[in-house]
Amino acid sequence: ELKVEQNPLFLSMQEGKNYTIYCNYSTTSDRLYWYRQDPGKSLESLFVLLSNGAVKQEGRLMASLDTKARLSTLHITAAVHDLSATYFCAVDGEVIQGAQKLVFGQGTRLTINP
Amino acid sequence: DSGVTQTPKHLITATGQRVTLRCSPRSGDLSVYWYQQSLDQGLQFLIQYYNGEERAKGNILERFSAQQFPDLHSELNLSSLELGDSALYFCASSVESLPYEQYFGPGTRLTVT
Repeated sequence: ELKVEQNPLFLSMQEGKNYTIYCNYSTTSDRLYWYRQDPGKSLESLFVLLSNGAVKQEGRLMASLDTKARLSTLHITAAVHDLSATYFCAVDGEVIQGAQKLVFGQGTRLTINP
Repeated sequence: DSGVTQTPKHLITATGQRVTLRCSPRSGDLSVYWYQQSLDQGLQFLIQYYNGEERAKGNILERFSAQQFPDLHSELNLSSLELGDSALYFCASSVESLPYEQYFGPGTRLTVT
C-alpha cells in the first residue's frame, strides 16, 4: 500500500529565511502534486510534477521530483508571512481496474513569523 | 475559485441523524471525488464517480454512500452519524477518470453533536 510521508509536520520560521519541506513516498508513482491549504479553506493546487528531475517554480516556492529516490521537495525562498499555510503533497496510487486514487501526505503546517 | 461548488458550507446535526452533501463539478469535468479531512485521520479519499458510475473506493464507511447524477452533480449521504464523523468534506473534480489535475471545492464543515 502506498504511503506518503511529509517532513517536518510543523515548521515555524522567520521571514526572509529559506527552508525545505520533504515528501517521501513508498512505491513507484507517475505524478506528484503539491497543494496549499489555508485554515478552514479548500486545497489549492500549486504544482504537478510529471517526471524524474522535474522542477517547477512559482514565486518563492520551488518544487522538485526525484522518482528514483521517491522524494519530492518544496523549497521556500526568503519566506514571507503570506506563505503561512498547510502544504500537502499527494501521489497517484496504483491503477486498479482503470481506477486510481490520490494518496496524501499528512501535511506540513508552516508558520512564518515577522 | 476552482469552479467546483459545494453545499451547504456548514452543517450541524445530532448523532444518529442523516445528512446529504452536494457537489457540482467544474463545467466539463466528468469525475467527482469525495474526501474527508479530520484532525486525527488527515485527508482521506472516500469515493470517486466518473460519468455517473462508481470508479474507485477508498476508506468509505458502510454508513456513507454517494451517487453521481446525469447532470454530473454528486451527493454524499452520511447516515447514523457519530461524533467522529465531524470533519471537513471536500469534493474535487477532474476531466478524466484518473486523478490528474483535481480541482477542489470549498468544502462542507460537518459538526455532529
